[in-house]
Amino acid sequence: GNSVTQMEGPVTLSEEAFLTINCTYTATGYPSLFWYVQYPGEGLQLLLKATKADDKGSNKGFEATYRKETTSFHLEKGSVQVSDSAVYFCALSDRDSGGSNYKLTFGKGTLLTVNP
Amino acid sequence: DSGVTQTPKHLITATGQRVTLRCSPRSGDLSVYWYQQSLDQGLQFLIQYYNGEERAKGNILERFSAQQFPDLHSELNLSSLELGDSALYFCASSARPGTGAGNTIYFGEGSWLTVV
Repeated sequence: GNSVTQMEGPVTLSEEAFLTINCTYTATGYPSLFWYVQYPGEGLQLLLKATKADDKGSNKGFEATYRKETTSFHLEKGSVQVSDSAVYFCALSDRDSGGSNYKLTFGKGTLLTVNP
Repeated sequence: DSGVTQTPKHLITATGQRVTLRCSPRSGDLSVYWYQQSLDQGLQFLIQYYNGEERAKGNILERFSAQQFPDLHSELNLSSLELGDSALYFCASSARPGTGAGNTIYFGEGSWLTVV
């Protein structure tokens, strides 16, 4: 079955530091890959996505590149801000065995804390 | 704003009681998903409906049930509530499979349930 493995947190950085959160996946098909973000006390928001190999998703200064050869989708940001403090979830979406339905598989989430 | 609307945002109820959580998907989306997020279990997929029919089942307890109505809104019914049911319940929706956006799942802000 499909699975997503992301680096365990918590991750603590100083403002303006470089961020990488690793994510690797296992899938039988050709999944789309996503990063979702959950700010404190809020719901899940779609941060970025990539639908095929070598695609780069980007949003709010965050980037992630779909690497089929390494089955990875690492999240990066060049200079984090205090407001980026949140839990980040890597996820993949793939059709189920029936072929007509998309299923979302999540990683366990990584808590990022950015200090001023 | 994802376009997925959930009510109520917060709910406190006693053990043994029954509650109903409501979800309106994004305009035009036919698929509705329910997820449970708790501190110890993380994000758990509960159930999915597509155009009124149950499409996939995850870790949903027998005390829980859901349905999707002809107008595509969905309800999650939780009965005989236990303390361990306290969690954030997310609804999500996606477009019809095969469309360009069919593989992207958008989440509502969640319903916080506290069982006391």
